[in-house]
Amino acid sequence: EDQVTQSPEALRLQEGESSSLNCSYTVSGLRGLFWYRQDPGKGPEFLFTLYSAGEEKEKERLKATLTKKESFLHITAPKPEDSATYLCAVQLYSGGGADGLTFGKGTHLIIQP
Amino acid sequence: DVKVTQSSRYLVKRTGEKVFLECVQDMDHENMFWYRQDPGLGLRLIYFSYDVKMKEKGDIPEGYSVSREKKERFSLILESASTNQTSMYLCASRGQKFTEAFFGQGTRLTVV
Repeated sequence: EDQVTQSPEALRLQEGESSSLNCSYTVSGLRGLFWYRQDPGKGPEFLFTLYSAGEEKEKERLKATLTKKESFLHITAPKPEDSATYLCAVQLYSGGGADGLTFGKGTHLIIQP
Repeated sequence: DVKVTQSSRYLVKRTGEKVFLECVQDMDHENMFWYRQDPGLGLRLIYFSYDVKMKEKGDIPEGYSVSREKKERFSLILESASTNQTSMYLCASRGQKFTEAFFGQGTRLTVV
C-alpha cells in the first residue's frame, strides 16, 4: 500500500490557468513533508519543507500548504517554464538513524502557451 | 550554493560487470543517500549513510553495496550488473535530520 499518493498523475493547463496538485499520506509520525521539482533527465530540485498542519510556504507562483492528511501545491498563473514533474516526499520519525525520504510518484505538469 | 555531484551523467555497462557510481557533496553533510528512479515506480531508496563508514539498507538493497570512507563521498557499487538494474540513479545529501535533502544531477545507467 502506497504511503504517499500524488494526484493527478498528469495535468495539462493553459498559461495563466491556476490549479492545485495534491499529495496525501497515510503514515503516522510525520516529521516533515517536502516538495521537489524535477525536469526531464535531471535530479529533483528542492522547493519547500512543511513541518506542521496549517503551515504555508510561498515562492514566486508556487504555494505549498499542509493539513494532517495531505498537502497541496498551488500554482498561480503558471508559465510554460513551470512545466515539470512535481514530487512530494515525507520524512517519518524512526527514533534513530538517518532515514531516507518516502516519495510519491509525482505529478507531470504541462503548461501550454 | 549547495552542490551534490555525481561522477557520470550517462553510463553503459555489460551484464556481469562491477559498476561504481560516485557521489560527492561539498556541504559537510552527515547523511547521504542513493535512490533509483524508474517510470511508474518513482524514487526508491537503495542505501543511506549517516556517518563515515556507517550504512543502512533502504527499501531495495539487493544487488547493491555502498562505501563511505570519507564524509563527502558516497559510492554505490553494483557487484554484478544485470539488465534489471538499468535505471536513473540519484544521490542526495542532507544535514540535520528532518531537513531537506539535496540531489545530484543523476546517472542514467544502461546495462546491456
